Amino acid sequence: AQSVAQPEDQVNVAEGNPLTVKCTYSVSGNPYLFWYVQYPNRGLQFLLKYITGDNLVKGSYGFEAEFNKSQTSFHLKKPSALVSDSALYFCAVRDTVGGATNKLIFGTGTLLAVQP
Amino acid sequence: DTAVSQTPKYLVTQMGNDKSIKCEQNLGHDTMYWYKQDSKKFLKIMFSYNNKELIINETVPNRFSPKSPDKAHLNLHINSLELGDSAVYFCASSHGGVRYNEQFFGPGTRLTVL
Repeated sequence: AQSVAQPEDQVNVAEGNPLTVKCTYSVSGNPYLFWYVQYPNRGLQFLLKYITGDNLVKGSYGFEAEFNKSQTSFHLKKPSALVSDSALYFCAVRDTVGGATNKLIFGTGTLLAVQP
Repeated sequence: DTAVSQTPKYLVTQMGNDKSIKCEQNLGHDTMYWYKQDSKKFLKIMFSYNNKELIINETVPNRFSPKSPDKAHLNLHINSLELGDSAVYFCASSHGGVRYNEQFFGPGTRLTVL
């Protein structure tokens, strides 16, 4: 079955330190991977995606993610965390079963808390 | 300018009632979606329309019926509301022609069934 796992419910990091939010996936075929962020009482905002090519993908707000095919991972990273980065982060993979749709399968979300 | 808008933002209603949530996008996208986010923040797709045609219909009770009058609008009607329908419902849109386009989400509608 196709799935996305975010093993950490919450990640705590001090402002200015690097942050990593983990994501692993399981799909048949080529994975199309996404990261979204949800601020309190808001909709999801797109951060970045991996389709093909360079394994290091750069996105919005200084975030980047590294695609690792052998480890089936797509971890989200940022060199220096800001308090304003505190939010709920979702990893997602496009469902490759079931035809030509843009159906996304979301992970359970990881709450990032950045302490000043 | 709001890209994807939903109305209402909050909806409080009694069990058994029928209610609708409206969604509009001004991004020129041809594909729209409805998602349900439960109290644990788990997000799951319910429906998707491409050019007014239903293309994704997940295992959702028949009480939920989407309607797309045109490419820019996707409404969700819910009959006979139940306590378990309480959740945040998100509308989203994307270009459907390429199957890895990012989706743009609305602000959500928080439905509370009493």
